[in-house]
Amino acid sequence: EIVLTQSPGTLSLSPGERATLSCRASQSVSSSYLAWYQQKPGQAPRLLIYGASSRATGIPDRFSGSGSGTDFTLTISRLEPEDFAVYYCQHYGSSPSLTFGGGTKVEIK
Amino acid sequence: EVQLVESGGGLVQPGRSLRLSCAASGFTFDDFAMHWVRQVPGKGLEWVSGISWNSGNTDYADSVKGRFSISRDNAKNSLYLQMNSLRAEDTALYYCAKTLEGTYLSDAFDIWGQGTMVTVSS
Repeated sequence: EIVLTQSPGTLSLSPGERATLSCRASQSVSSSYLAWYQQKPGQAPRLLIYGASSRATGIPDRFSGSGSGTDFTLTISRLEPEDFAVYYCQHYGSSPSLTFGGGTKVEIK
Repeated sequence: EVQLVESGGGLVQPGRSLRLSCAASGFTFDDFAMHWVRQVPGKGLEWVSGISWNSGNTDYADSVKGRFSISRDNAKNSLYLQMNSLRAEDTALYYCAKTLEGTYLSDAFDIWGQGTMVTVSS
């Protein structure tokens, strides 16, 4: 089973700053099968990125994904007030390898 | 509007059963694989189970294998999760989720419901 480790656990930043979130896999995964989600308190997760770097419908271009092999990154170029949330990465290469990382909380500094 | 609405959660004693439902609308339900994901309040996401568009393929997390059963009724645009032999550690908010492209059982999830809470306690 592939284990996804996200870091840091919490990221304290100010609006307008750049956020860089990491997702590391326990073994090499195809970049075609790596997604990122945003979750705000009391809400369901929202798909941001799939295939490691493709933005989902309606996602602003300040969100970008990159990476390959075991190391993947979600970058938010300039944080907006509505971007403060918890972010999860997910591998969906093959069942039962549908795993989520533990999450990174982006909080206001 | 594309929408998923879960129901069926509640308080149940350990060892008992519960059946969750998810009503889909706004898209062609039988074109897409569907999944259940759960989340303990304040904790992370855990994939539970998935089913292909035609029910031909199903899969389960090891933590629920042999106890939970996923099914769907395409005529009713509905997804189900039959949960048997419930344990305290099954306590969570259960989301149903639609796959992005539909063809494959394993896929990203582009639409999520708001969840239904299951509490297993005596």
